[in-house]
Amino acid sequence: RKEVEQDPGPFNVPEGATVAFNCTYSNSASQSFFWYRQDCRKEPKLLMSVYSSGNEDGRFTAQLNRASQYISLLIRDSKLSDSATYLCVVRTPGGGYQKVTFGIGTKLQVIP
Amino acid sequence: EAQVTQNPRYLITVTGKKLTVTCSQNMNHEYMSWYRQDPGLGLRQIYYSMNVEVTDKGDVPEGYKVSRKEKRNFPLILESPSPNQTSLYFCASRLGGSETQYFGPGTRLLVL
Repeated sequence: RKEVEQDPGPFNVPEGATVAFNCTYSNSASQSFFWYRQDCRKEPKLLMSVYSSGNEDGRFTAQLNRASQYISLLIRDSKLSDSATYLCVVRTPGGGYQKVTFGIGTKLQVIP
Repeated sequence: EAQVTQNPRYLITVTGKKLTVTCSQNMNHEYMSWYRQDPGLGLRQIYYSMNVEVTDKGDVPEGYKVSRKEKRNFPLILESPSPNQTSLYFCASRLGGSETQYFGPGTRLLVL
């Protein structure tokens, strides 16, 4: 089983739609969770951190379910500019360093 | 401007010809990492460094070397490149205790 699993998509959604991505992780010791956005093979950029209590940033909402070991990203009122690949990132402590593991990413295409 | 820079951005080389990809950050970050990104595999960590003269292997270190003689620089060395090292490479840095990794723009390497 992969350490971090994501559906690669693509998810093709019309403008204005709500879309949700899930990501599962295998190591219950993982402590920190993030969503990064990557545009067309450019560098990934932090979209948001994911907290146990959930967090929201404008049209984006991230949730963490520790019991089921998954995190989610919800995008409301999709814009054309949201088209990108969304990377799930998990940090797991070990050996004095926090190992960072990336999912393969979920590709979102917002269609006019 | 706070940034991570990588050079070169694009490189075509031949099997066995030693090369170095430079990475530099101007944010005084302790942590630096190298990743490679391949289709269907996501970003995989090659090496990381927790501070000057402190480096360790990531998930895919074979065929690579790194050094961290100064805090701002973290070069990636391919002593004898092979075609399976054709990939998109990203350098990243992070302040200790911070959640955010900052990525360089990427280096596209083709080994013939």
